[in-house]
Amino acid sequence: AQSVTQPDIHITVSEGASLELRCNYSYGATPYLFWYVQSPGQGLQLLLKYFSGDTLVQGIKGFEAEFKRSQSSFNLRKPSVHWSDAAEYFCAVGAWSGGGADGLTFGKGTHLIIQP
Amino acid sequence: KAGVTQTPRYLIKTRGQQVTLSCSPISGHRSVSWYQQTPGQGLQFLFEYFSETQRNKGNFPGRFSGRQFSNSRSEMNVSTLELGDSALYLCASSPGVGGSEQYFGPGTRLTVT
Repeated sequence: AQSVTQPDIHITVSEGASLELRCNYSYGATPYLFWYVQSPGQGLQLLLKYFSGDTLVQGIKGFEAEFKRSQSSFNLRKPSVHWSDAAEYFCAVGAWSGGGADGLTFGKGTHLIIQP
Repeated sequence: KAGVTQTPRYLIKTRGQQVTLSCSPISGHRSVSWYQQTPGQGLQFLFEYFSETQRNKGNFPGRFSGRQFSNSRSEMNVSTLELGDSALYLCASSPGVGGSEQYFGPGTRLTVT
């Protein structure tokens, strides 16, 4: 079965600074990878996805992520954070097995705090 | 295009009761998945429906069930509620099945007292 690890529970970044959120996955084949963001009391919003092809993917709100198969990682980056980026960020993996769908497996999330 | 809608948004129930939550997917999406989110366990997959058939189920007791209608709308039911069922229940719709991208609704906050 697949799994996702987000090693950082909390990250604090100054407004305007760069950001990198880490995500490691475990899956036997090439996974589908996603990053979602959740603001307090809200559902999850899809930031970006990787299915195949170019390993650097661009998403909404200025986010990007890079798939590194050798490191089983899919880290999320943003060159300059804004106060509105403060939220919970979830990495997820989608997979297939035995011809059926397994749904999404999520990491525990990283809580991003923005310092003024 | 309207997003995923979930009703009700908030619900308070008493232990032992049952509850039904509703989800309307994005127009044209045929797959609906349900997730439970709690502070302790995080986001956990409940089940997925595609074309009125349950395609996959997570590791939850039989008290948790669901169904999907011909218009792709879905309901999930929890019987004999326990205090531990208090959670945010999220519905997600997808144009495909399983591993493809999913779009989430705002969730239903269930509190069991």
